[in-house]
Amino acid sequence: DAGITQSPRHKVTETGTPVTLRCHQTENHRYMYWYRQDPGHGLRLIHYSYGVKDTDKGEVSDGYSVSRSKTEDFLLTLESATSSQTSVYFCAISDEGGPSDTQYFGPGTRLTVL
Amino acid sequence: RKEVEQDPGPFNVPEGATVAFNCTYSNSASQSFFWYRQDCRKEPKLLMSVYSSGNEDGRFTAQLNRASQYISLLIRDSKLSDSATYLCAVTAPFYNQGGKLIFGQGTELSVKP
Repeated sequence: DAGITQSPRHKVTETGTPVTLRCHQTENHRYMYWYRQDPGHGLRLIHYSYGVKDTDKGEVSDGYSVSRSKTEDFLLTLESATSSQTSVYFCAISDEGGPSDTQYFGPGTRLTVL
Repeated sequence: RKEVEQDPGPFNVPEGATVAFNCTYSNSASQSFFWYRQDCRKEPKLLMSVYSSGNEDGRFTAQLNRASQYISLLIRDSKLSDSATYLCAVTAPFYNQGGKLIFGQGTELSVKP
């Protein structure tokens, strides 16, 4: 299995509070991704990174920001959590990020916003 | 219309059955195609990539039909352990978008004794 960890694995928070999720990889892969998974929507890309300090938006980026100061860490921040951000968040990594490159997923973080 | 669509199922089949899933995609410029497997409350894991010529891995066969814009997954001789959700994924058509994957909703398979 690819060396990807996510923390925390579960979190319950209140509306309006900031939340930061961490993805850590030991594979030295260049590309890192944050997805959310919701019933009826499948997995949707929030943000991705193609290198240290290089990030871009995905299809559902509103309300989220990211940072990548080291190759191994990719942080996802909910500036002011809302109930609509209750979801399961998956981090993924890929080596080259090309169209045929495999993405490997972390174990996920279950976030509940009350 | 969603970019990638799958029949959500559930597909309930007996052990030993053959089951087929289809997945359609809307962008004809899509370049790469994958099937992922996701067990309950776990992360998706790559099952197989899908190539134009079709490919087989044991009991699993994946096919791509570019003309009709769909990919398929065939599972022969189903096992109880095949019970999971199967996600198809298609990469964004342009390389400079970092190989972003667009997922279908997933098809749930339940194999019964």
